[in-house]
Amino acid sequence: GESVGLHLPTLSVQEGDNSIINCAYSNSASDYFIWYKQESGKGPQFIIDIRSNMDKRQGQRVTVLLNKTVKHLSLQIAATQPGDSAVYFCAENLRQAGTALIFGKGTTLSVSS
Amino acid sequence: KAGVTQTPRYLIKTRGQQVTLSCSPISGHRSVSWYQQTPGQGLQFLFEYFSETQRNKGNFPGRFSGRQFSNSRSEMNVSTLELGDSALYLCASSLGGRKQETQYFGPGTRLLVL
Repeated sequence: GESVGLHLPTLSVQEGDNSIINCAYSNSASDYFIWYKQESGKGPQFIIDIRSNMDKRQGQRVTVLLNKTVKHLSLQIAATQPGDSAVYFCAENLRQAGTALIFGKGTTLSVSS
Repeated sequence: KAGVTQTPRYLIKTRGQQVTLSCSPISGHRSVSWYQQTPGQGLQFLFEYFSETQRNKGNFPGRFSGRQFSNSRSEMNVSTLELGDSALYLCASSLGGRKQETQYFGPGTRLLVL
C-alpha cells in the first residue's frame, strides 16, 4: 500500500544547531502534508502543514519544504532547543481519502546542550 | 479551550475480552478520527466519524468498531481482543471534518492485552 517514510530513524544535534528532518512519500495523489511532534507519553502535536500547491511554508522557528518532483518533504527547525527533543512524524492526506492521514514511521530528534 | 481528552489513559485486558475507549473532542469540533499506534506498524488510521456517521474506515478487521454521539463524543470498541491489539489508541478531532483541516490529537489510551 501507499506509505510515507522517513529517511533516518534518529537525528542527534547540539542545542542551537539547525535540524533538518526528511520524509519521502510515494503517492502523487497526496495533496496535503503535515508534520507532527510526539513527546513521550503524549499524543502527536501539530507543528506545520503544507498544501500541494505550495513549495515552502514557514512557521515559528520551523519551515516545511515540499518537492513534488522527487516526492520529498522536509522539516527544518532553526536554533534547535532541548525542548524540541521528540519523535517527528510526517503525514500525508490522499486526495481521495477524506481526512484520513497516512503517517511515516518517525524520526527521533535528540538535542543535547 | 480544553484539548482532546481520552479515557481511560491505561487499560489492561486479557485475550478474548472486549474494550471500549472514549474520546471527547475539542469543544465545537464535529469530526473525530481514531488511530492505532504500535512500534511495528506506526500510526494507522482506524476510522472517522462526523455528525454521528462513519465517513471513512481504515484497513482493520470488523472487531474494531466505533460510534459518535450527538455531542460529538466518540467511542471505539474492540471485541475479542488479541495480543496484537496492544497499542496506543489515539483520537483526533477537527472542526468541520474537511480535508486539509488541522487534526488535534488527544494523549491516547494505552491498551495492554495479556
